[in-house]
Amino acid sequence: NAGVTQTPKFRVLKTGQSMTLLCAQDMNHEYMYWYRQDPGMGLRLIHYSVGEGTTAKGEVPDGYNVSRLKKQNFLLGLESAAPSQTSVYFCASSDHRPSGRFINTGELFFGEGSRLTVL
Amino acid sequence: AQSVTQLDSQVPVFEEAPVELRCNYSSSVSVYLFWYVQYPNQGLQLLLKYLSGSTLVESINGFEAEFNKSQTSFHLRKPSVHISDTAEYFCAVTPGRRALTFGSGTRLQVQP
Repeated sequence: NAGVTQTPKFRVLKTGQSMTLLCAQDMNHEYMYWYRQDPGMGLRLIHYSVGEGTTAKGEVPDGYNVSRLKKQNFLLGLESAAPSQTSVYFCASSDHRPSGRFINTGELFFGEGSRLTVL
Repeated sequence: AQSVTQLDSQVPVFEEAPVELRCNYSSSVSVYLFWYVQYPNQGLQLLLKYLSGSTLVESINGFEAEFNKSQTSFHLRKPSVHISDTAEYFCAVTPGRRALTFGSGTRLQVQP
C-alpha cells in the first residue's frame, strides 16, 4: 500500500548542479503535482500534470522542468540549482472525473517529501 | 485567482482546551474548501472538505469547520484538543478547475 513515493528523501547540492526528483504513485491517478514548502509560505505549486504526456506551469515554475512520460511517474528536474531552491518538495496525486474535465475535488494524496539543500 | 489567508502562524493551547484555527479566502467564483494536516516529518493528509450542501463539515477525529460565504471564512474548530493534535494545519481552496491554493499554515502546539 505504497501510495505516493518520492525519491530521494534528502539531497545536498552545490550551486549549478542538476538533479531530478522522482515521484511514483500506484493509485492510477490522472493528476499529479509538485509543490514546494517553505517556512511561513505554505505550499506553492511548481508544475502539475493532468495526464500522461501533459504538463502545465503552476505558481512558481521558474528554474524547474517536469516530465510525465508514464502515468504513474512525475519527474521534477532542476537544471542548475540555486540556493533559493532550498526547500522541501512534495509530490501529490489526485483522481479525475469520468467526463475527462479537470474537476479537482481536492483529495490530494501526498508523498513524504524530499528535503533539498543547495549550498 | 484565489488566495487563502491564515492569520495565525502559531496557536499554543493546553490539552483539553478548545481551539479555533482561522482561514479566510478570496475568490471571484464559487470554491471548494479544505483543511489538511501535516504531522512532523510527514506529508499532508486531508482532514476535511466542503464541496457543497451542509456548511458544517466534520472529520473523524473531532475537528469541524464551517463554511461562511458572507464572511468568506472556513475556520477549523475542536472543542477539546489532545497532545496528538499537535501538527501544522493548512487551509486550501480551489474553484474546481485549478489546482489547490494553500494558505501559509498554522502550527498547533498542544501543551500538557
